[in-house]
Amino acid sequence: DGGITQSPKYLFRKEGQNVTLSCEQNLNHDAMYWYRQDPGQGLRLIYYSQIVNDFQKGDIAEGYSVSREKKESFPLTVTSAQKNPTAFYLCASRRGDREGTEAFFGQGTRLTVV
Amino acid sequence: QKEVEQNSGPLSVPEGAIASLNCTYSDRVSQSFFWYRQYSGKSPELIMSIYSNGDKEDGRFTAQLNKASQYVSLLIRDSQPSDSATYLCAVALSGGSYIPTFGRGTSLIVHP
Repeated sequence: DGGITQSPKYLFRKEGQNVTLSCEQNLNHDAMYWYRQDPGQGLRLIYYSQIVNDFQKGDIAEGYSVSREKKESFPLTVTSAQKNPTAFYLCASRRGDREGTEAFFGQGTRLTVV
Repeated sequence: QKEVEQNSGPLSVPEGAIASLNCTYSDRVSQSFFWYRQYSGKSPELIMSIYSNGDKEDGRFTAQLNKASQYVSLLIRDSQPSDSATYLCAVALSGGSYIPTFGRGTSLIVHP
């Protein structure tokens, strides 16, 4: 089945620790996105990538890093510089850099600082 | 600052009624518009997309777009308790990247 897979579903981070969230898609989509959602809030863009080996900062990139070495993979690292990382993280993908194409989401990773 | 605005609700309707969800956006050159449904604790699921002025119907759902008024809405006919969720409006802004920008969502409660 085609889709977007995020792992893990739940993740616990200790203070000062870096953690990496996985996002893999087999839809052959060019564009991939990371969003953060806080309770009662909308989705805020962290990073996005339109093609392999290229990515751009979104609205709230501070404390996060990404890579796009393969078309199907777009991992997100939450670094110790992110002071309030507890949130629901959503990865999405779109067919390409064209108008009129929908974004589809993975099942999300819920990150909690302990 | 490009913005997508939604009333956070909750919007409460009785079962069988029509639920009307509204969204306004600030960027006049926006081209693509989407409605997502998000159940509590789950990821957003695409319901409808609309690109041209007017209405688009899919089953019990109708999306309405008015670019002149910068307004997009979602109507849910014959609302069911299973429709209770948060509905997110998304706008793909022009400028080369077509990044989906989301509103905060409207919470819908359908009571029996």
